[in-house]
Amino acid sequence: DAGVTQSPTHLIKTRGQHVTLRCSPISGHKSVSWYQQVLGQGPQFIFQYYEKEERGRGNFPDRFSARQFPNYSSELNVNALLLGDSALYLCASSLLGQVLNTEAFFGQGTRLTVV
Amino acid sequence: KQEVTQIPAALSVPEGENLVLNCSFTDSAIYNLQWFRQDPGKGLTSLLLIQSSQREQTSGRLNASLDKSSGRSTLYIAASQPGDSATYLCAVQNGGATNKLIFGTGTLLAVQP
Repeated sequence: DAGVTQSPTHLIKTRGQHVTLRCSPISGHKSVSWYQQVLGQGPQFIFQYYEKEERGRGNFPDRFSARQFPNYSSELNVNALLLGDSALYLCASSLLGQVLNTEAFFGQGTRLTVV
Repeated sequence: KQEVTQIPAALSVPEGENLVLNCSFTDSAIYNLQWFRQDPGKGLTSLLLIQSSQREQTSGRLNASLDKSSGRSTLYIAASQPGDSATYLCAVQNGGATNKLIFGTGTLLAVQP
């Protein structure tokens, strides 16, 4: 069975540009969450989507947006990139959107470098 | 506001040694706690999930315990191997509309052959 897949694996962008990161959850999982991990820190929650609706948003500026498609895959978009957006972006999928029974499974991440 | 702390930040042990990694959280009203492994530059691999009603979970050489009242969890690794070298992260889920995880900063483990 395929796990959580993310694309691309690495990306280099220039300040001010826009980026789109993609995630496909485990088959049958309806919830996708996005996290940002800066070097040396634990991942920080950005968004959760469940059944194509936003369930939660972390403390990130409006330059960050996301959506979930009918097949439960998801995109994370970041506009007007800053140097500080350089990080590993992780996607997590879980079966349900509720707290119970929500073991999270992560993809390999997208390494974004902003120059 | 929930805060998760992991001690120590880094640990180096000789192969074969048993070891314990610690995780503490400030708000005991959690629904579950999950331990992850992260290899350099890679994603997270789920190791163990402990529901709030459970006291421990075991998988192979790994045993995780949870004491909600004291806000602590430990990950015990038996007979460590060089392949166990990685960063270990713990994360908690509180109640609410989301299933977001709140992570500690991790323990970097090096097992020396």
